[in-house]
Amino acid sequence: QVQLVESGGGVVQPGRSLRLSCAASGFTFSSHGMHWVRQAPGKGPEWVAVIWYDGSNTFYADSVKGRFTISRDNFKNTLYMQMNNLRAEDTAVYYCARGISSGHYLDYFDSWGQGTLVTVSS
Amino acid sequence: EIVLTQSPATLSLSPGEGATLSCRASQNLNRYLAWYQHKPGQSPRLLIYDASKRATGIPARFSGSGSGTDFTLTISSLEPEDFAVYYCQQRSNWPPMYSFGQGTKLEIK
Repeated sequence: QVQLVESGGGVVQPGRSLRLSCAASGFTFSSHGMHWVRQAPGKGPEWVAVIWYDGSNTFYADSVKGRFTISRDNFKNTLYMQMNNLRAEDTAVYYCARGISSGHYLDYFDSWGQGTLVTVSS
Repeated sequence: EIVLTQSPATLSLSPGEGATLSCRASQNLNRYLAWYQHKPGQSPRLLIYDASKRATGIPARFSGSGSGTDFTLTISSLEPEDFAVYYCQQRSNWPPMYSFGQGTKLEIK
């Protein structure tokens, strides 16, 4: 079955960097677009970034554009998120999620990891 | 930016009752809308996509309807495990941007 396991979260000071990883198994990783979605305490989910199945396209939420970079290694079946210049408002549980398509490419999120907590605090 | 507005914010019902959750979009989505269930300490689960298609393994008591700007998630007879927060979600055409509603908390009365 589909498994997505995030790692790399922790406590970091404002302005510092962190890299999240998501190890995928149980499906052909190289055939699927992937997302990062975050959820701040007491808030609803917020989409962060998407990457095409082959890494050819990436898109970001305005709130993280220029600071976060999504990437993937299809040989290692792993998704990454490099987070730079972190802010207090980036504090959240970060989920990786597999994308599925319908009317457009990658409309929805059909499988989610368990999430990794990122806390930005001095 | 497409905004999704869910109502009500909280719904208090008893097991066995039916539930109706609403999601309104600020622009026409045709039928491209999904619903997710989120329980504390778990990751969100896809329930419904394309407004009315049940995802794999989702019980038949969950159904979705609607098109354009108004969508509904219906749970026909609530089971104890259905009490959770429910979110609707859409993707904009281009560039791809995704948004969620603010959620409806379904709680036991």
